[in-house]
Amino acid sequence: DVKVTQSSRYLVKRTGEKVFLECVQDMDHENMFWYRQDPGLGLRLIYFSYDVKMKEKGDIPEGYSVSREKKERFSLILESASTNQTSMYLCASSGDSLSSYEQYFGPGTRLTVT
Amino acid sequence: AQSVTQPDIHITVSEGASLELRCNYSYGATPYLFWYVQSPGQGLQLLLKYFSGDTLVQGIKGFEAEFKRSQSSFNLRKPSVHWSDAAEYFCALREAGTALIFGKGTTLSVSS
Repeated sequence: DVKVTQSSRYLVKRTGEKVFLECVQDMDHENMFWYRQDPGLGLRLIYFSYDVKMKEKGDIPEGYSVSREKKERFSLILESASTNQTSMYLCASSGDSLSSYEQYFGPGTRLTVT
Repeated sequence: AQSVTQPDIHITVSEGASLELRCNYSYGATPYLFWYVQSPGQGLQLLLKYFSGDTLVQGIKGFEAEFKRSQSSFNLRKPSVHWSDAAEYFCALREAGTALIFGKGTTLSVSS
């Protein structure tokens, strides 16, 4: 079974702090994704990566950056956390072949910025 | 532009009754379509997917979905709902490339 793990289930940070969210997948997937999920807004794509050191902006990249130094790991960085970044953050991965197009999700990190 | 619409924000169904969750999409080519379920506080789990071929696809937990190109729909169904099916359900479309476009979700409540 594909496993996508996220470093924390719950995180509380202060305004202005630098925040790192880590995601690791064990299926050798090429693609990895970061979403944020807010009530009534569904899932919105922040960034995705289709290869090591490659990244693409999603729909809401402002205030975020990402890093992918190894194939299995994709990090989301909040350079200076703000209260409007309080949200649920979901990481996902997928392959490039038709049999692996679906995205596999981690359990999520609920981030609260105070 | 590609989009996914789930018209129902919240649905309540009696336990044992049938269920249909609606999903409409907008996409020029043959779509890759997915249904995911999210239990409270959890990540998303894939229920089923449609790539091509048979328009009625079977998934896990007794769910099925029917792709109707003429109606641009991919509705999710279950003949008899269980209390454990209470969750949020997301329809998604894979656009050209790798990203998925998600609907805003439908919350299912199950009454006894």
